[in-house]
Amino acid sequence: GQQLNQSPQSMFIQEGEDVSMNCTSSSIFNTWLWYKQEPGEGPVLLIALYKAGELTSNGRLTAQFGITRKDSFLNISASIPSDVGIYFCAGPIQGAQKLVFGQGTRLTINP
Amino acid sequence: SAVISQKPSRDICQRGTSLTIQCQVDSQVTMMFWYRQQPGQSLTLIATANQGSEATYESGFVIDKFPISRPNLTFSTLTVSNMSPEDSSIYLCSVDAGSDTQYFGPGTRLTVL
Repeated sequence: GQQLNQSPQSMFIQEGEDVSMNCTSSSIFNTWLWYKQEPGEGPVLLIALYKAGELTSNGRLTAQFGITRKDSFLNISASIPSDVGIYFCAGPIQGAQKLVFGQGTRLTINP
Repeated sequence: SAVISQKPSRDICQRGTSLTIQCQVDSQVTMMFWYRQQPGQSLTLIATANQGSEATYESGFVIDKFPISRPNLTFSTLTVSNMSPEDSSIYLCSVDAGSDTQYFGPGTRLTVL
């Protein structure tokens, strides 16, 4: 079935640094989603991408839909303590209204 | 965006017992979903809760273990039956938000002793 491989699994950075994470698949996705989950909360949608090559920003976050439709990237610029959490990529399974999730990237920031 | 609440937010249960988790949405939605998130893991879809019909379960999940109700377009319940410590997880409900996206509830953190 369709699977998403997300990397890195974890990141330990200094406040103010930029962050980059990515998600790849052997299958084509027509939509790429990026969610953030904070401790004790459910995932919150950050960015949705719908077109190959699309680059979308949400504040300090920027995500790109890969041209091959098999990957996506999320970048966070000038990280701050509230960026701490787990970031998940996700995409809809073809022919079904359900999502598959990547393994997540756990972001830790040292002040 | 839809506001989703779950009850209870957390619980500690004894093995062999059952727990019913409620999910309430502030607006009518066509599709509701239930996910399990095991400790340190990603989200795995348990089932799609269909209004007026039986839930659609994913491979590895069965109705006897995870019975689901969907009495109307704003409410669903998930029961975790005959619990064991391996059922300790966060259980999340979500709703279809259009354009291939879903909104999630805050989750129910379950610990089974």
